[in-house]
Amino acid sequence: SQELEQSPQSLIVQEGKNLTINCTSSKTLYGLYWYKQKYGEGLIFLMMLQKGGEEKSHEKITAKLDEKKQQSSLHITASQPSHAGIYLCGATGGHYGGATNKLIFGTGTLLAVQP
Amino acid sequence: NAGVMQNPRHLVRRRGQEARLRCSPMKGHSHVYWYRQLPEEGLKFMVYLQKENIIDESGMPKERFSAEFPKEGPSILRIQQVVRGDSAAYFCASSPSPEISYGYTFGSGTRLTVV
Repeated sequence: SQELEQSPQSLIVQEGKNLTINCTSSKTLYGLYWYKQKYGEGLIFLMMLQKGGEEKSHEKITAKLDEKKQQSSLHITASQPSHAGIYLCGATGGHYGGATNKLIFGTGTLLAVQP
Repeated sequence: NAGVMQNPRHLVRRRGQEARLRCSPMKGHSHVYWYRQLPEEGLKFMVYLQKENIIDESGMPKERFSAEFPKEGPSILRIQQVVRGDSAAYFCASSPSPEISYGYTFGSGTRLTVV
């Protein structure tokens, strides 16, 4: 079965600093999804990547999928306290567009931003 | 357009009682997914349902857990004879089609505590 490893497990940064979270798959990724979860709340969809080498940005968050489609990174520029939370990467469990489309999630990265 | 609605937000049950968790998908979404987030563990897929059908229940525990998504009304995740190990956050997500091109929309979750 497909497994997703995230690193680091937790991260504390000073406000204004840049940071990167990585997500590595044991198998080729057909679709890679980044979510953010605030403690005690639901998941907020951030971005989805499908193509090797693809890069997407939204405000100060940039996500990339490598050419081999087995690793993705999430980069936050000039971090703010509002960026704090748990970041989760998720991948489709099977072939894209298959009969089941459950997501397999990574282990999560807990981000704290110190003012 | 309301998002995915889950209720209750918090649920406390004594060991041996039944827990019923409800999920109303977004308007126009006929595909529902349940996930469980255990303390210190990641988010794990439980079951995928379409209206009146269970499509994939590979993540459901074999006993005490059941799910339904009737023609009318919300999807229900039912846990019979709850035990302390069932204490977790249960998230529901919905999508308009089997293809999760832009990710699911998640609800805010139900936090079940078994005492």
